[in-house]
Amino acid sequence: GNSVTQMEGPVTLSEEAFLTINCTYTATGYPSLFWYVQYPGEGLQLLLKATKADDKGSNKGFEATYRKETTSFHLEKGSVQVSDSAVYFCALTRQAGTALIFGKGTTLSVSS
Amino acid sequence: DGGITQSPKYLFRKEGQNVTLSCEQNLNHDAMYWYRQDPGQGLRLIYYSQIVNDFQKGDIAEGYSVSREKKESFPLTVTSAQKNPTAFYLCASSISFGGAETQYFGPGTRLLVL
Repeated sequence: GNSVTQMEGPVTLSEEAFLTINCTYTATGYPSLFWYVQYPGEGLQLLLKATKADDKGSNKGFEATYRKETTSFHLEKGSVQVSDSAVYFCALTRQAGTALIFGKGTTLSVSS
Repeated sequence: DGGITQSPKYLFRKEGQNVTLSCEQNLNHDAMYWYRQDPGQGLRLIYYSQIVNDFQKGDIAEGYSVSREKKESFPLTVTSAQKNPTAFYLCASSISFGGAETQYFGPGTRLLVL
């Protein structure tokens, strides 16, 4: 079946460190891929997305590239801030006309 | 401001009781969703609705029910048949169902069992 696997957290970094959160997927066809972020006590909000192979999504200094050859969509940021502390979810759509499938989430904690 | 509202923020359920979680959106979106979030489990889809007066079961629908009588509203009832209801419940909406459409989430309702 279709699924998303994220690296387990928590990930603990110092401010200005480089961030990578790994995400790999299993899917039939050509899914769309998403990163959502959940700040403490809140709902989720879209961080970035990519809809076809080799697309790069970017927002707020975060980037992720849709790699079909490695079935990956790793999230990166060059210099994290304390305000980036949150839970990050990788997700995909099974196919057009179906709902999102989420990974289990990765907690990021950034200290000053 | 357009968005999704959920109420209440915290809800307590007694044994054998049905409770209803409210979800309202003013984004004029056709599709709405309910997810359950448990620690370390990610989000799991309970029910979704592609359009008013229509809804389908998601991956974990047992013990839950929904209605979609208005485009703006998609309430979720947690019935007494749901034996482990303690969780964080998130409602979401999107312009249309599936594909590359962005889902917009409400702030969530935390359900606790007394």
